[in-house]
Amino acid sequence: DGGITQSPKYLFRKEGQNVTLSCEQNLNHDAMYWYRQDPGQGLRLIYYSQIVNDFQKGDIAEGYSVSREKKESFPLTVTSAQKNPTAFYLCASSQTGADTQYFGPGTRLTVL
Amino acid sequence: AQTVTQSQPEMSVQEAETVTLSCTYDTSESDYYLFWYKQPPSRQMILVIRQEAYKQQNATENRFSVNFQKAAKSFSLKISDSQLGDAAMYFCAYRRSSGTYKYIFGTGTRLKVLA
Repeated sequence: DGGITQSPKYLFRKEGQNVTLSCEQNLNHDAMYWYRQDPGQGLRLIYYSQIVNDFQKGDIAEGYSVSREKKESFPLTVTSAQKNPTAFYLCASSQTGADTQYFGPGTRLTVL
Repeated sequence: AQTVTQSQPEMSVQEAETVTLSCTYDTSESDYYLFWYKQPPSRQMILVIRQEAYKQQNATENRFSVNFQKAAKSFSLKISDSQLGDAAMYFCAYRRSSGTYKYIFGTGTRLKVLA
């Protein structure tokens, strides 16, 4: 089945540690996205990539980093510089030229 | 910059009744896409319906339909014959039709369905 997978579903991190969230898609989509969702709030864009080896900062990129070495993979690293990383993280993808964005199931990150 | 506003943080509807969720947006573009996404308690984002701005006809998907008013920059979602499974957060979203493929989301409306 085609889709987007995110792992792990739940992630716990100690303060001061970096952690990487995985996002993989087999939809052959060119564009991929990372969003952060806090309780009772909407989605805020962290980073997005429209093509391999290229990505752009979203609205809240500080404290996060990404890479796009392969079309199907777009990992997100939450660094120790991110002051309040506890949140729900959603990965999405879309086909260039097409309009609809598809989402993964999300990762819940908790900083202990 | 484009913005999307959902002014109703929470709405309630009786089962089998009809409810309308509001969304307004601001853009200087003439061609764009609008979406409604549903996020149930599982937190999986599900596309409910989409609208292309150059199409005047309102989109419909079974019990879901939109009222797209381009001049007013309004994009409301109507849910007919509401079911318990419709209870969720609903997000309105916008994307330009060309250039950067960046999506702008509203803050969401929580819909409660009363039995």
